[in-house]
Amino acid sequence: SQTIHQWPATLVQPVGSPLSLECTVEGTSNPNLYWYRQAAGRGLQLLFYSVGIGQISSEVPQNLSASRPQDRQFILSSKKLLLSDSGFYLCAWKGIGNTIYFGEGSWLTVV
Amino acid sequence: QKEVEQNSGPLSVPEGAIASLNCTYSDRGSQSFFWYRQYSGKSPELIMFIYSNGDKEDGRFTAQLNKASQYVSLLIRDSQPSDSATYLCAVHSGGGADGLTFGKGTHLIIQP
Repeated sequence: SQTIHQWPATLVQPVGSPLSLECTVEGTSNPNLYWYRQAAGRGLQLLFYSVGIGQISSEVPQNLSASRPQDRQFILSSKKLLLSDSGFYLCAWKGIGNTIYFGEGSWLTVV
Repeated sequence: QKEVEQNSGPLSVPEGAIASLNCTYSDRGSQSFFWYRQYSGKSPELIMFIYSNGDKEDGRFTAQLNKASQYVSLLIRDSQPSDSATYLCAVHSGGGADGLTFGKGTHLIIQP
């Protein structure tokens, strides 16, 4: 069966510091992968998606970036965090019939 | 701009009753529709999906779709306190790789 893991689960970072969130998927090959953010009062927002190694599409302009160095690895990064980057970050993969399955999530607080 | 609208609630339902959650969407070309449940502090988990007009039942859950009215609903029969959560409606409008568009969710409270 397919599983998805992401880490770290929680982190507190100062403004201007870098960020790296990592996600890996097991039990499937060449999955479509996604990064979503859930901020208070704003719902789930699609940030990036990837259909393959090195292929990244951005849905919204921001100071975040994503990379896919391996087939089942997806990384979300920032060089300098802003207060507005705080939120719950979710990695996800697409299964059959456009169904999205989420990882456990990473809580980011920028202080 | 694709939009999915839900009443934020909270929606309070007594235990054992039917909880009815509603969702409307703006993109008439939408093809797939999903309901997720999200407990506080946790990631969303898939409850049901529906592609065709009409009803789809899975245990205590029934999803209803009306594409002409651009309306999706979720019914939860015999509501239990463990059903207390935020329910997210999500829509896929085609195109393959792009992800789902989510509503902000309805907070459901089942009163014992």
